[in-house]
Amino acid sequence: DQQVKQNSPSLSVQEGRISILNCDYTNSMFDYFLWYKKYPAEGPTFLISISSIKDKNEDGRFTVFLNKSAKHLSLHIVPSQPGDSAVYFCAATRPANAGGTSYGKLTFGQGTILTVHP
Amino acid sequence: NAGVMQNPRHLVRRRGQEARLRCSPMKGHSHVYWYRQLPEEGLKFMVYLQKENIIDESGMPKERFSAEFPKEGPSILRIQQVVRGDSAAYFCASSKRGTRETQYFGPGTRLLVL
Repeated sequence: DQQVKQNSPSLSVQEGRISILNCDYTNSMFDYFLWYKKYPAEGPTFLISISSIKDKNEDGRFTVFLNKSAKHLSLHIVPSQPGDSAVYFCAATRPANAGGTSYGKLTFGQGTILTVHP
Repeated sequence: NAGVMQNPRHLVRRRGQEARLRCSPMKGHSHVYWYRQLPEEGLKFMVYLQKENIIDESGMPKERFSAEFPKEGPSILRIQQVVRGDSAAYFCASSKRGTRETQYFGPGTRLLVL
């Protein structure tokens, strides 16, 4: 049961243009979403996150948009740089207890390979 | 993620042997998570531990796999009697608290079962 889906296995973008990576989820209990970047033979590196009470969060060249009604989030990278070439994973989490004060596991999508051409 | 240490980085085992993977969380972090990435797939949650406690092991296979995070020392993921299907990258992450704080990942251990 794939609760977090990244339907595009790969994306190719020209340097300087915008990269848009998409992610869909099915579990309405998820209330916190994260994007990680991963280079080969390394662990995932945290990029940006967003709470379900927001619809947008921005950090430098990275912006994450959340559409709760569509259960969809996207990561925008502007402008794209060759060093951004990596695998991007979206992840989601939900409260692990009734009080919502404890969180645990992340549920990851399958990843999207981004290639930024010079 | 440079703060989370995992060793070994690469581990080769023959079928039926035991594999021990170690994870030292970032300084000041007391929550540890283990994930597995099979080839061509995303990361899958295995287990969530605090010091001396298993909080959530819903992603752990029922047999041959165990994890611990003792009061002193690193967290250990142990796989007994390995099979070829255990070949994967195993990642450890840590966070300061079990809240929505970001989980920071280590570089992973690549396990190859011959």
